[in-house]
Amino acid sequence: SQTIHQWPATLVQPVGSPLSLECTVEGTSNPNLYWYRQAAGRGLQLLFYSVGIGQISSEVPQNLSASRPQDRQFILSSKKLLLSDSGFYLCAWRGAGKTQYFGPGTRLLVL
Amino acid sequence: AQSVTQLGSHVSVSEGALVLLRCNYSSSVPPYLFWYVQYPNQGLQLLLKYTTGATLVKGINGFEAEFKKSETSFHLTKPSAHMSDAAEYFCAVSEDTGGFKTIFGAGTRLFVKA
Repeated sequence: SQTIHQWPATLVQPVGSPLSLECTVEGTSNPNLYWYRQAAGRGLQLLFYSVGIGQISSEVPQNLSASRPQDRQFILSSKKLLLSDSGFYLCAWRGAGKTQYFGPGTRLLVL
Repeated sequence: AQSVTQLGSHVSVSEGALVLLRCNYSSSVPPYLFWYVQYPNQGLQLLLKYTTGATLVKGINGFEAEFKKSETSFHLTKPSAHMSDAAEYFCAVSEDTGGFKTIFGAGTRLFVKA
């Protein structure tokens, strides 16, 4: 069966520091992968998606970037975090019937 | 372009009462429709989905939803609320074409009173 992992689970970072969040998927090959952000009390905002290695589509201009160095690995990065980057970050992959399967999420607090 | 509107950011029901969470969508082509549930500090979990065929879809935990094309709606219901149903619920739409994106509604937080 397929599983999706995210780490870390929780992260507290100072403003201006770098960020790297990692997502890996097991049990499937060449998945479409997605990064979403949930700000407090708000819905899901699609940040990036990827249909293959090295292929990244950005949905919202911001100081975040994404990379897909391996088939089942998706990384979200920032060179300098802003206060507004705080939120709950979710990784997902798309399965059969266009269903999205989500990871457990990473809670990021930028101070 | 696709869009999803969830009516009511918060819904409160008593334990044992009917749960009704409303969702309307906009799509230019036949849609795939989803309901997801999110418990605090967790990822989203699929409750149910409509692709084609029967318009009444049954999901996990006793939830069901009915696709009504004429009303462009996909409301979620459960006959009897349980305390464990308290969570945030998201309606979502994905077009039945080569698109890669799923559009999520803003979410409805369900409160269940004892």
